[in-house]
Amino acid sequence: ETGVTQSPTHLIKTRGQQVTLRCSSQSGHNTVSWYQQALGQGPQFIFQYYREEENGRGNFPPRFSGLQFPNYSSELNVNALELDDSALYLCASTFGGGVNTGELFFGEGSRLTVL
Amino acid sequence: DAKTTQPPSMDCAEGRAANLPCNHSTISGNEYVYWYRQIHSQGPQYIIHGLKNNETNEMASLIITEDRKSSTLILPHATLRDTAVYYCIAQEGQYGNKLVFGAGTILRVKS
Repeated sequence: ETGVTQSPTHLIKTRGQQVTLRCSSQSGHNTVSWYQQALGQGPQFIFQYYREEENGRGNFPPRFSGLQFPNYSSELNVNALELDDSALYLCASTFGGGVNTGELFFGEGSRLTVL
Repeated sequence: DAKTTQPPSMDCAEGRAANLPCNHSTISGNEYVYWYRQIHSQGPQYIIHGLKNNETNEMASLIITEDRKSSTLILPHATLRDTAVYYCIAQEGQYGNKLVFGAGTILRVKS
C-alpha cells in the first residue's frame, strides 16, 4: 500500500449530476495529481495541485475542477456529468511540486459509473 | 499522445527473466524514462526510472540504449504476482509529475 487513500471507492451517478471525489495524500507529500482511466486504457492526466494551487492541467474541460487543502488532501469535482466520464479516477501524491521527483504514489482509485 | 510504443502483450515463464521493450525515438534530452505497472483493479505502481545510465533497484533493472531511442525493463525472476500491465512513459511538460501513459504491455507470467 502507498498510503494514498481515496473515497468513495465506487459510486453511481446519473447524467447531468455533479460528483466530488476525495484523496488523502501520503504523509509528507505536498503535491497531488489526478488521472482518469477509462476501461482498457492507460491513465490520462487531469491536473496537479501544489501548495493549494493548480500548476498543470491536461486536456480536460473546465467542468473538471479541483481543490487542495492546507493538509495537502485534495478533491476532484466534476460537474454536468456525461456518460463518457465513467472511469476509474486515480489520485497520486509526491513531494516537490515543480521538479522531477520520479516516483508517484497512486491510490486505488474511485470508480465512477454515469448512467 | 504517448511518446512511447510497446508491444501489446508478452508471456513469460515463472522464474525466468521478463524483458519488456519500449521505443521512444522522439524523446528529448531532458526527458526521463519511467516504468510503472498496474495490477488488475489497483492503482499504478512505480518501478524504476532513468535518464541515460542503466538503473537497478530491488524490483527491476532498466537498460537504456546509448542513443536513448529505446529501453528495456528487466524483471530478473518473474513470479505470478508480476502479471500486470506495464507502462513505459517519457516524462512530459514543465512539471515532472505529468505522466503520459500509453496502452502499455500486458505481461502474463505463466507457471
